[in-house]
Amino acid sequence: AAGVIQSPRHLIKEKRETATLKCYPIPRHDTVYWYQQGPGQDPQFLISFYEKMQSDKGSIPDRFSAQQFSDYHSELNMSSLELGDSALYFCASSLGTVSYEQYFGPGTRLTVT
Amino acid sequence: AQTVTQSQPEMSVQEAETVTLSCTYDTSESDYYLFWYKQPPSRQMILVIRQEAYKQQNATENRFSVNFQKAAKSFSLKISDSQLGDAAMYFCAYRSGGSNYKLTFGKGTLLTVNP
Repeated sequence: AAGVIQSPRHLIKEKRETATLKCYPIPRHDTVYWYQQGPGQDPQFLISFYEKMQSDKGSIPDRFSAQQFSDYHSELNMSSLELGDSALYFCASSLGTVSYEQYFGPGTRLTVT
Repeated sequence: AQTVTQSQPEMSVQEAETVTLSCTYDTSESDYYLFWYKQPPSRQMILVIRQEAYKQQNATENRFSVNFQKAAKSFSLKISDSQLGDAAMYFCAYRSGGSNYKLTFGKGTLLTVNP
């Protein structure tokens, strides 16, 4: 079965640079969620989209923005990167907001040096 | 705001034996969902089992089962016949049944399976 695809899988950036993470949800899934998992931490919710509209927002820094496109893929844009942004970034998808199961992608490991 | 607490940072079990991981949560909502996710060394988040709060029957998925005590706000995971491949970090997660669909995770329990 098709799963959530995230690219790139690994990304190394320097401080103050920008990064773009991409997420391709499971086919027919119309809801995308972004989570950030720091070293030794549990995943923290950043933002979600349903039918291309932002549906919820968590502790996402103002330096970060995200959107969902017409084909339902989503991109997380991160600017002015800081050392503390080094983390594993997960994208998860679900079928609508009624379907309560979220399926996670493999994650993008971002390292900021 | 909802909180999820996993009081066991680490647990270990002998292969083929049974282990129970604990999870408690705090919420004022009556409609919600609870999950256990497994995160092996690959860091992939794998959904293990889910429970709807409105269901009294405890969920079961093969060797994995839960003990859902709604009044006590407790949601423990039992792994039977433990296998080496069960070794992972296990996260308990809460999702509201209302308009807030994000997952709130506990801090996790690292499970070691000894041969």
